[in-house]
Amino acid sequence: EAQVTQNPRYLITVTGKKLTVTCSQNMNHEYMSWYRQDPGLGLRQIYYSMNVEVTDKGDVPEGYKVSRKEKRNFPLILESPSPNQTSLYFCASSRIPPTSTSYEQYFGPGTRLTVT
Amino acid sequence: KQEVTQIPAALSVPEGENLVLNCSFTDSAIYNLQWFRQDPGKGLTSLLLIQSSQREQTSGRLNASLDKSSGRSTLYIAASQPGDSATYLCAVHMNRDDKIIFGKGTRLHILP
Repeated sequence: EAQVTQNPRYLITVTGKKLTVTCSQNMNHEYMSWYRQDPGLGLRQIYYSMNVEVTDKGDVPEGYKVSRKEKRNFPLILESPSPNQTSLYFCASSRIPPTSTSYEQYFGPGTRLTVT
Repeated sequence: KQEVTQIPAALSVPEGENLVLNCSFTDSAIYNLQWFRQDPGKGLTSLLLIQSSQREQTSGRLNASLDKSSGRSTLYIAASQPGDSATYLCAVHMNRDDKIIFGKGTRLHILP
């Protein structure tokens, strides 16, 4: 079954304690993204990757890091989490080029992060 | 900077009615526009994708149109059902930098 998986689904942590949220897709997609979703602000792209070893900042990259060492995995790293990073996080993947008729974004189930 | 706007933010309609959701964007330099559905506490499910060269796409009771020059897309839902209640989001994939920008969504409630 084609899917994007994220772990953990729920996480409560304390300010400053480094954490990693994993994302993996089994569709051999080139493009992968991380988003955060906040009430009143909608979904905002944090980082994206066009392929292995290629990552770019989205609209809200501050306080986050990513890596793309393998095509299927795109972990999101919070080196020193702060309360303003409390949010619902989504990972997504798609095939490129975006003009392809088979282009479509597939989303993971989300990770709800609380930083106290 | 691209801005994607969805109006209205919330909408309630009786079951069986046809309805239109709107999405507008300020920068027409897009590869495509995608419509999603999100149920409360869940992830996003893709509904329809329209490439910038296309005018519309249809899937079942859903029809999405795109007017790139005027920066508008609509999602038409025919014969609405209570199961259509959800938040509907649109997103554009920029051809300048490959960023993806979402609107804030329209929360739809179909009244039985």
